[in-house]
Amino acid sequence: DAGITQSPRHKVTETGTPVTLRCHQTENHRYMYWYRQDPGHGLRLIHYSYGVKDTDKGEVSDGYSVSRSKTEDFLLTLESATSSQTSVYFCAIGGNLHEQYFGPGTRLTVT
Amino acid sequence: QQQVKQSPQSLIVQKGGIPIINCAYENTAFDYFPWYQQFPGKGPALLIAIRPDVSEKKEGRFTISFNKSAKQFSLHIMDSQPGDSATYFCAASRSGNQFYFGTGTSLTVIP
Repeated sequence: DAGITQSPRHKVTETGTPVTLRCHQTENHRYMYWYRQDPGHGLRLIHYSYGVKDTDKGEVSDGYSVSRSKTEDFLLTLESATSSQTSVYFCAIGGNLHEQYFGPGTRLTVT
Repeated sequence: QQQVKQSPQSLIVQKGGIPIINCAYENTAFDYFPWYQQFPGKGPALLIAIRPDVSEKKEGRFTISFNKSAKQFSLHIMDSQPGDSATYFCAASRSGNQFYFGTGTSLTVIP
């Protein structure tokens, strides 16, 4: 998985609780991305980062925040999880040529 | 509003056949068009990508055809094998920032 790890790999949480997902890379790539994957929707970009402390919103950013304090780590936080945020979350990294490499994913269930 | 429209949703071919998956986009500012392959339980993997200054790109058995005037691009898999059975996603990006994915095509190659 191109030097990308995601943690946790599986998580079950209750509605209203905060959740943080972590993406870690060893490739020193500039770009990092968070996606969610849902049946019938493909992959949808939540947030992305183009450098340390430089982030921007994707098409489905409501209810999510991100932080990148180091090149290798990109955190996705659900401030107050809802059932609609039950999904598989993928982190990706990208270089200056726009190629993207995806992590193994985190399956999140909000009950 | 779906930025990238992908068809068909599913496809079944015989071994040796040439499945074709099509994508269409509207935003003429897109400058990078990748295809990803995803196996169950795994993250998407970059398969092949094209930029709008060329009309075709081949990598092994995979070919992208790109029609800039029609704003369409397609993936052809030559001599398809059962091991090619997977879900395929097209995507489009502007300058490596926002990526928009199609909804995916489930390909089954029958031995």
